[in-house]
Amino acid sequence: EVQLVESGGGLVQPGRSLKLSCAASGFTFSNYGMHWIRQAPTKGLEWVASISPSGGSTYYRDSVKGRFTISRDNAKSTLYLQMDSLRSEDTATYYCAPNSGFDYWGQGVMVTVSS
Amino acid sequence: DVVMTQTPPSLSVAIGQSVSISCKSSQSLVYSDGKTYLHWLLQSSGRSPKRLIYQVSNLDSGVPDRFSGTGSQKDFTLKISRVEAKDLGVYYCAQTTHFPWTFGGGTKLELK
Repeated sequence: EVQLVESGGGLVQPGRSLKLSCAASGFTFSNYGMHWIRQAPTKGLEWVASISPSGGSTYYRDSVKGRFTISRDNAKSTLYLQMDSLRSEDTATYYCAPNSGFDYWGQGVMVTVSS
Repeated sequence: DVVMTQTPPSLSVAIGQSVSISCKSSQSLVYSDGKTYLHWLLQSSGRSPKRLIYQVSNLDSGVPDRFSGTGSQKDFTLKISRVEAKDLGVYYCAQTTHFPWTFGGGTKLELK
């Protein structure tokens, strides 16, 4: 059974940092590109960042470029999102998802950026 | 980026009624392999999204055949026949043909 368990969220002040983790199981993690998708409160879904299976290629939406870093540890089947210089507009629930057409979602992790 | 436009933004329905949701993309969603990577998701209140339909018309395992998806190129429709209470929530179309992946704005299905 595929499981995706996000963690690391919380309340953080603007300008500070936070690192999210996504522990994956039930599939061969190293074979899949991975994505972070977020959903601001009462809003829709928004792609944030992606990483290739090897970790050699990464992609970001413009609004997080230079502030967020996606990475992975295939030995630990874990995906990460380092979020620096956080802004209030980054407040959202963050989901990780494998590159398989949105068939699997974790429970998400809430990030609140507020003073 | 591909813009996904969903209509209507909300729908009030009585149990047992049928409804349709439209999703239009700003570009054709046909990939170079000939497949169309347009999917439908349902997010029930307080839950993570769940995929119902993949590649336009294929039902995910366990999804009742009251759900159906049709369409091609840039114009897609989700139909729900005989709506049940457990169908309520926000429906999203999503495309994975063109990077970055993008989503429709959502259609909230609620009880009349």
